[in-house]
Amino acid sequence: GIQVEQSPPDLILQEGANSTLRCNFSDSVNNLQWFHQNPWGQLINLFYIPSGTKQNGRLSATTVATERYSLLYISSSQTTDSGVYFCAVEGNYGQNFVFGPGTRLSVLP
Amino acid sequence: DTGVSQDPRHKITKRGQNVTFRCDPISEHNRLYWYRQTLGQGPEFLTYFQNEAQLEKSRLLSDRFSAERPKGSFSTLEIQRTEQGDSAMYLCASSFSTEQYFGPGTRLTVT
Repeated sequence: GIQVEQSPPDLILQEGANSTLRCNFSDSVNNLQWFHQNPWGQLINLFYIPSGTKQNGRLSATTVATERYSLLYISSSQTTDSGVYFCAVEGNYGQNFVFGPGTRLSVLP
Repeated sequence: DTGVSQDPRHKITKRGQNVTFRCDPISEHNRLYWYRQTLGQGPEFLTYFQNEAQLEKSRLLSDRFSAERPKGSFSTLEIQRTEQGDSAMYLCASSFSTEQYFGPGTRLTVT
C-alpha cells in the first residue's frame, strides 16, 4: 500500500518563527489533507490539497503531486499552533486514508 | 451543522467485556470511516461505509470487531472480549465526496 513519511518528527520554535513541514508519499493520490491534532485529540482540518497551493491566514500548503510531496508552511507561529500535524493521503485505488507519523510542533513563548 | 459527534468520549472497561461506540456523521455525508489511534502514532484505518454498505475493512479489524451503519446515518463499532491491546482512541470521520471530517474520538482504556 501507499507509504507516507513526514519530516521533521519533532520541531521546537520560538513564538513568531516560521516553519515548513514536509510530507512525502509513495504513489499517486486522489486526496491529501493536512490536520492539526490538538491536545484533546481532535483532528482539525487545515487543508484539502491533492494538488496546487492554498493559503488560510498564517498557514499555507503546497502539493506537487507529480513529485509526490506536500509542504505545510506556518508563519509567525503562536503557542496555540503547538500540537501534532498529520498529513493523510488516499491512493488512487482505495477509499481510506493513510496517515503519516506526524510532526510534533512545540511553540515556546 | 454540528460536525461529527461520538459517544461516549471516554470508556474504561475490564478485559473480556464488550463495548460499543457510536458515531453520528455530518448530516447528508454518505461516507463514514472508523480509525484507531494509539499513543504517539497516526490514526490507522479500520473500516469504511458508503451509505449502509460496508465497503472496506482493514486487516486490523479482527473478528472481535464489528461495525454497522444500519440506516446509512449513524454507525456503531463493537469490540467483543476486549483485550488490553485494544486500548486506544477510536476516531470516526465522515465525508460527502473526498474531504474527511473527524469527530472528537472515543478513548478506550481496557484494564
